[in-house]
Amino acid sequence: DIQLTQSPSFLSAFVGDRVTITCRASQGIISSLAWYQQKPGKAPKLLIFGASTLQGGVPSRFSGSGSGTEFTLTISSLQPEDFATYYCQQLHTYPPSFGQGTRLEIK
Amino acid sequence: QVQLQQSGPGLVKPSQTLSLTCAISGDSVSSNSAAWNWIRQSPSRGLEWLGRTYYKSKWYYDYAVSVKSRITVNPDTSKNQFSLQLNSVTPEDTAVYYCARARITSDWSTLFDYWGQGTLVTVSS
Repeated sequence: DIQLTQSPSFLSAFVGDRVTITCRASQGIISSLAWYQQKPGKAPKLLIFGASTLQGGVPSRFSGSGSGTEFTLTISSLQPEDFATYYCQQLHTYPPSFGQGTRLEIK
Repeated sequence: QVQLQQSGPGLVKPSQTLSLTCAISGDSVSSNSAAWNWIRQSPSRGLEWLGRTYYKSKWYYDYAVSVKSRITVNPDTSKNQFSLQLNSVTPEDTAVYYCARARITSDWSTLFDYWGQGTLVTVSS
């Protein structure tokens, strides 16, 4: 099974900051990666798939990049509603697997 | 707009069977372009995919190795829903359980674009 490791596990930032979260895969997955946002008590919400394609309705301040084994999620200017936990997920091989999450908190 | 509505008990005794149902609106459990999944989340295991069913001329079922001997995912076409049964539960099965739709495309079959609201299931006597 493919393991995904996210860094950092915890991130504290100000509204307006630019932040980047990294996801590393244990083997190459080309661009078969998705990012989800989860708020407390809610289900994960799909943000990005195919490493860089924004899901409909997702603000353009979110962007994704990478291929192979290293991927990034960037939020260009943090808004109050962006403080949440973010997960990556590989789509490349069965079974699907998720990273352990990055918790983003307001400084 | 696809909506998934989960139902089922929040408390299950050890050794008994966990049963949850996910009712689908805005799509069909028999769709040729979707798979219907169960995923759970706990502090110790994170997000863990458990199993799925999908229809492509016949019904298919896939399960995670970790639960394969204990799990059944079943479609119910008459009610447009699908279910999860997990047998012989232990406290380690305590988690929030989600149902989720995965869009099936030529590239992927595990992209989870719609999720149920989640059900906290506690395994305790």
